[in-house]
Amino acid sequence: KAGVTQTPRYLIKTRGQQVTLSCSPISGHRSVSWYQQTPGQGLQFLFEYFSETQRNKGNFPGRFSGRQFSNSRSEMNVSTLELGDSALYLCASSLWVGNTEAFFGQGTRLTVV
Amino acid sequence: KQEVTQIPAALSVPEGENLVLNCSFTDSAIYNLQWFRQDPGKGLTSLLLIQSSQREQTSGRLNASLDKSSGRSTLYIAASQPGDSATYLCAFLRDNYGQNFVFGPGTRLSVLP
Repeated sequence: KAGVTQTPRYLIKTRGQQVTLSCSPISGHRSVSWYQQTPGQGLQFLFEYFSETQRNKGNFPGRFSGRQFSNSRSEMNVSTLELGDSALYLCASSLWVGNTEAFFGQGTRLTVV
Repeated sequence: KQEVTQIPAALSVPEGENLVLNCSFTDSAIYNLQWFRQDPGKGLTSLLLIQSSQREQTSGRLNASLDKSSGRSTLYIAASQPGDSATYLCAFLRDNYGQNFVFGPGTRLSVLP
């Protein structure tokens, strides 16, 4: 059974550009959530989608947005990139919400120069 | 705001030792808790999920317990091996309405051969 797939694995962008990251959850999973990991702040919740609806959003500026498609695949977009957006972006999928195990992808390493 | 601490922040032990990693949260109002490991530059691997009605979970050499009243969770690793070297993270859900985890800062474990 395939795991959570995130593409691309690595990305280098220039300040001011925008970027789109993709996450394909485990087949049959309907919940996808996104996290940002930095050395200083650790893992922080960005947003969560279930059946194409955003259910929760973390404390990030509006430059961070996302969506989920009918096949449960999800994308997140960051506009007007800043140096501080350099991080490992992780996606997690789970069958449902609440008492279900979450599985993470390998992440996308974004570097903003 | 919920604060999560993990003690110790780093740990180095010789192979074969049994060890305990601790996770504490300031607010005992949590729904469930999951333990993960993360290898350098990689995504998170799920270790154990303690569901809302449970107090303990075991998988192989790993045992995790959760005491909501005291705001503490413990991960016990028996007979540690060099392959256990990684960062261990605890994460919990506040409620059953989403998959927005709150993560601890992690414990970096090194098991020396």
